[in-house]
Amino acid sequence: DVKVTQSSRYLVKRTGEKVFLECVQDMDHENMFWYRQDPGLGLRLIYFSYDVKMKEKGDIPEGYSVSREKKERFSLILESASTNQTSMYLCASSLWAGIPNQPQHFGDGTRLSIL
Amino acid sequence: GENVEQHPSTLSVQEGDSAVIKCTYSDSASNYFPWYKQELGKRPQLIIDIRSNVGEKKDQRIAVTLNKTAKHFSLHITETQPEDSAVYFCAASNTDNAGNMLTFGGGTRLMVKP
Repeated sequence: DVKVTQSSRYLVKRTGEKVFLECVQDMDHENMFWYRQDPGLGLRLIYFSYDVKMKEKGDIPEGYSVSREKKERFSLILESASTNQTSMYLCASSLWAGIPNQPQHFGDGTRLSIL
Repeated sequence: GENVEQHPSTLSVQEGDSAVIKCTYSDSASNYFPWYKQELGKRPQLIIDIRSNVGEKKDQRIAVTLNKTAKHFSLHITETQPEDSAVYFCAASNTDNAGNMLTFGGGTRLMVKP
C-alpha cells in the first residue's frame, strides 16, 4: 500500500517565519504534488514535481517555493509566512512510468496556523 | 487553464436514498475524471474514475457518468449509508499536461441521515 507521510499534522508559526513542510513517499513515484485545502475552494495546486530537481508552478505558487533533492522527498517552503497562508496543506504522489492518469495518493495533511 | 465547478456544495439525504453530485469542466482536452472521498479528519481517497473513451462506469453502489459534449460528469451513489457521509471532490486532467496535474472542484459535503 502506498504511504505518503507528512512530517507534522499540526503546526503553529509566526508571521514572517520561514516554514518548511516535508513530505515523503515510499513507492518510488515520479510525480509529487503540494495542495492547499480551504473550505469551499477544494484542493488548489501550489507546485508539483515530475522528477528530482524538477518543479512546475501550479495555480497558486505565490509566496511558496519547493525543493526536491531526492525522489522520495518533496518539501514545501513558505519563504515569509503570512496569516493568509493559514490552511490545510496536502501532499500527494503518483506513478508515471509512461502511463498517464495514475491515481494520486495523499498524505494526512498538515494543518498550519500562522499567528 | 482548466476550471472545474462542482454542485451542490452541501447535500443531505435520508439513508437509503440516492445522491447525485455534478461537475462541469471548461477544457475540452480533459480526458480523465477521478472522484475522491474525504472523511472527516482523513486524507482524500480515490473512489472511482472515468476516462473520456467511456460514458459510464459502475462500482457496486457508486457510478460515474460523463457527457463530453456538454463537458460535465456526475457521481451517483445509490442506497446511501451513514458511512457515505464525507466530502466528495471531482477533478479533471489532461494527459498531455506534465505530471498528470489534476484540477479539483470545490467539494460537496454529503450528509446521510440515519
